[in-house]
Amino acid sequence: DTGVSQDPRHKITKRGQNVTFRCDPISEHNRLYWYRQTLGQGPEFLTYFQNEAQLEKSRLLSDRFSAERPKGSFSTLEIQRTEQGDSAMYLCASSLEDTRQPQHFGDGTRLSIL
Amino acid sequence: SQQGEEDPQALSIQEGENATMNCSYKTSINNLQWYRQNSGRGLVHLILIRSNEREKHSGRLRVTLDTSKKSSSLLITASRAADTASYFCATDAYKAAGNKLTFGGGTRVLVKP
Repeated sequence: DTGVSQDPRHKITKRGQNVTFRCDPISEHNRLYWYRQTLGQGPEFLTYFQNEAQLEKSRLLSDRFSAERPKGSFSTLEIQRTEQGDSAMYLCASSLEDTRQPQHFGDGTRLSIL
Repeated sequence: SQQGEEDPQALSIQEGENATMNCSYKTSINNLQWYRQNSGRGLVHLILIRSNEREKHSGRLRVTLDTSKKSSSLLITASRAADTASYFCATDAYKAAGNKLTFGGGTRVLVKP
């Protein structure tokens, strides 16, 4: 059983650089979510896709952030001109389009901005 | 912003004891879910309880839901050292599209051998 996988697990970069993360959801799941988690806090919703359509974006997702899911399978999250405040764990989750089904999370990408 | 609060923020118990943690939320919900997170890892789904359910069991886990008080509890019985983790409740708002989850701040549980 293949779960949600995220790559890379860790990313260290200098302030001002661009970074891109990848998420591969569970294959039969048509919904894909991105969350951000800072140390000691619960995850916060960023955006979600149903198939290839991005249906909602949080106000947390500034214009430096962009997410895509081009073929309704894997997704990428890009952050341009990174800032210190972007340091966090970026979590991806996927689910079926059924309110009775849980979201399944990957192990996340930890981003550290120097 | 967080949906609500979890109580306590931290809990330290001996192996074999029970651990109880509570979660409060603010809006009407479809479901409430509990997740476990080990340090540096992603979230593992434990239990989903629907808004029309009051209690649910899974192995050593028992979850209750009181929609009139907008609160839930998670009980771990006969705790083990491997239960050491952070536990989060998460809700999805009633009739909101997409079932995005709103999380509490978590309870950090330490089970001492």
